[in-house]
Amino acid sequence: AQSVTQLGSHVSVSEGALVLLRCNYSSSVPPYLFWYVQYPNQGLQLLLKYTTGATLVKGINGFEAEFKKSETSFHLTKPSAHMSDAAEYFCAVSDANAGNNRKLIWGLGTSLAVNP
Amino acid sequence: DSGVTQTPKHLITATGQRVTLRCSPRSGDLSVYWYQQSLDQGLQFLIQYYNGEERAKGNILERFSAQQFPDLHSELNLSSLELGDSALYFCASSVGTGASSSPLHFGNGTRLTVT
Repeated sequence: AQSVTQLGSHVSVSEGALVLLRCNYSSSVPPYLFWYVQYPNQGLQLLLKYTTGATLVKGINGFEAEFKKSETSFHLTKPSAHMSDAAEYFCAVSDANAGNNRKLIWGLGTSLAVNP
Repeated sequence: DSGVTQTPKHLITATGQRVTLRCSPRSGDLSVYWYQQSLDQGLQFLIQYYNGEERAKGNILERFSAQQFPDLHSELNLSSLELGDSALYFCASSVGTGASSSPLHFGNGTRLTVT
């Protein structure tokens, strides 16, 4: 069975500092991997996704993530945090063979706080 | 703005009652998904509809049901409500069903409080 673990339910960084949100997954088949962001009082929106091809994926708002099969990881990074990045971030995995959104397995989320 | 509309935004009701949550998907999207988000269990997939037909079921209780209408809007019905049903319920939509072909677009959710 697939699973997703997000290390650290709360992460706090200073404005301008590196953002690193960790995601490890468990999957017996090739995964599709996703990061979604949830701003206060809003629904989730897609930040980026990995399906096939290049393992370094660039998303919106300056975020990127790297798929590392050997480490079963898909960590999210941003070189310089902005106050507007404060939000909840969710990692999700899908079965690439099934190719269906309905099989998205979600992590519990990481709340990112950005301090001035 | 994701283009997905959920009503109402907030709902407060008593145990044992029945409520209906409504979702209008983004224009052109055929799939609708319902999710429950709570602090202790995170984001849980409930059910998916595609073009009016049930496509997949997740952790949906028997007290809950849903449907998608010909105009593609969807309703989630929650009955015999319990305190534990208090949560944020999200609707999401996508063009198709393939995870690689179309992302999920989420509404802003309905916050249900059962007292």
